[in-house]
Amino acid sequence: RKEVEQDPGPFNVPEGATVAFNCTYSNSASQSFFWYRQDCRKEPKLLMSVYSSGNEDGRFTAQLNRASQYISLLIRDSKLSDSATYLCVVKPYSSASKIIFGSGTRLSIRP
Amino acid sequence: DTAVSQTPKYLVTQMGNDKSIKCEQNLGHDTMYWYKQDSKKFLKIMFSYNNKELIINETVPNRFSPKSPDKAHLNLHINSLELGDSAVYFCASSQDPAFQETQYFGPGTRLLVL
Repeated sequence: RKEVEQDPGPFNVPEGATVAFNCTYSNSASQSFFWYRQDCRKEPKLLMSVYSSGNEDGRFTAQLNRASQYISLLIRDSKLSDSATYLCVVKPYSSASKIIFGSGTRLSIRP
Repeated sequence: DTAVSQTPKYLVTQMGNDKSIKCEQNLGHDTMYWYKQDSKKFLKIMFSYNNKELIINETVPNRFSPKSPDKAHLNLHINSLELGDSAVYFCASSQDPAFQETQYFGPGTRLLVL
């Protein structure tokens, strides 16, 4: 089983729709979780952290389910500019350990 | 005012050649990284330096040799390039190793080995 797994997509949804995707991780001792966004042919950029109690940043909601070992990202009222690949990032239990990137979920918003 | 810059952005070369990619960050960060992103979009860490010292060295062929002349620079030299080295190479930096999750990436270097 891969350390971090994501559905590659693509998720193709109309503008204004709500879309959600998950990321599963294999190490139950993982410490921290994040979502990065990568636009086509660009570098990854930190989108948001994922807190244990769940957190929102505008139209974006991130949640963590430790029991089932997955994190989720929900995007409400999707915009054309949300089209990108969303990378799940997991930080293992030790601060000295390297973080692990998922391979990403591709999201395409159509007009 | 690019925070993390890489040169060159594109690199097309023949198998067997030796090439270097340069990276510089002006964020005052202590830690820098090299990642390889292959055609399947997996972003894999190769190396990490903290204040010029190597702290992460993944299973990477020893044809790849990083060099950090100072904490603002991390260069990657690749000897005897192979077809499988074709990928996008990203440099990144973070405040320190404890803040790996908040990394700032460079624009990437697209390497094509023919």
